[in-house]
Amino acid sequence: AQTVTQSQPEMSVQEAETVTLSCTYDTSENNYYLFWYKQPPSRQMILVIRQEAYKQQNATENRFSVNFQKAAKSFSLKISDSQLGDTAMYFCAFMRGNAGNMLTFGGGTRLMVKP
Amino acid sequence: DTEVTQTPKHLVMGMTNKKSLKCEQHMGHRAMYWYKQKAKKPPELMFVYSYEKLSINESVPSRFSPECPNSSLLNLHLHALQPEDSALYLCASSQDQGALEKLFFGSGTQLSVL
Repeated sequence: AQTVTQSQPEMSVQEAETVTLSCTYDTSENNYYLFWYKQPPSRQMILVIRQEAYKQQNATENRFSVNFQKAAKSFSLKISDSQLGDTAMYFCAFMRGNAGNMLTFGGGTRLMVKP
Repeated sequence: DTEVTQTPKHLVMGMTNKKSLKCEQHMGHRAMYWYKQKAKKPPELMFVYSYEKLSINESVPSRFSPECPNSSLLNLHLHALQPEDSALYLCASSQDQGALEKLFFGSGTQLSVL
């Protein structure tokens, strides 16, 4: 079984600054994928970024980037130039390579961006 | 149209009621999912439909009954629920069940069982 741990229940950051959210996972699989999802007050889960475990290069999507450390089983999310609209719950998620799109989520980090 | 639409947005029901949650997408996706999310917790997978057939049931109690009448529609029928079933029920879809297929989520139905 896989477990995903987010050690920061809540974080805050000033608008325009950079913040890093932590995520660690435990698995014996070699073929897997990692994701960060955002859940704003609208409740809709929105994919922020994803990383294939076999790729060494860290994924980036505009202001969002990850630091993927496979040996340490760590997958942190960096948000640059934070905006008020980034205020949301952020979930780290794990998926086995042949698991048919079944996600295992971490407990979440509530991020507040302050003006 | 890149939306997953869920109705109703809010639902209050008694333990003896029968109700249904509805989920609709018009993106041509062939995989659809039900997740349950308790307050301040992450979503947990309940069911997966692939090509209108139930492919995964995560040991969900029989008081929850999913139905996929066609490729665009997914229902969740509720009967004899318990107060602990109160939660946000999220529907999602993807092109198919492949690992790299992006999941599109709806905004959920907030269910309260009295």
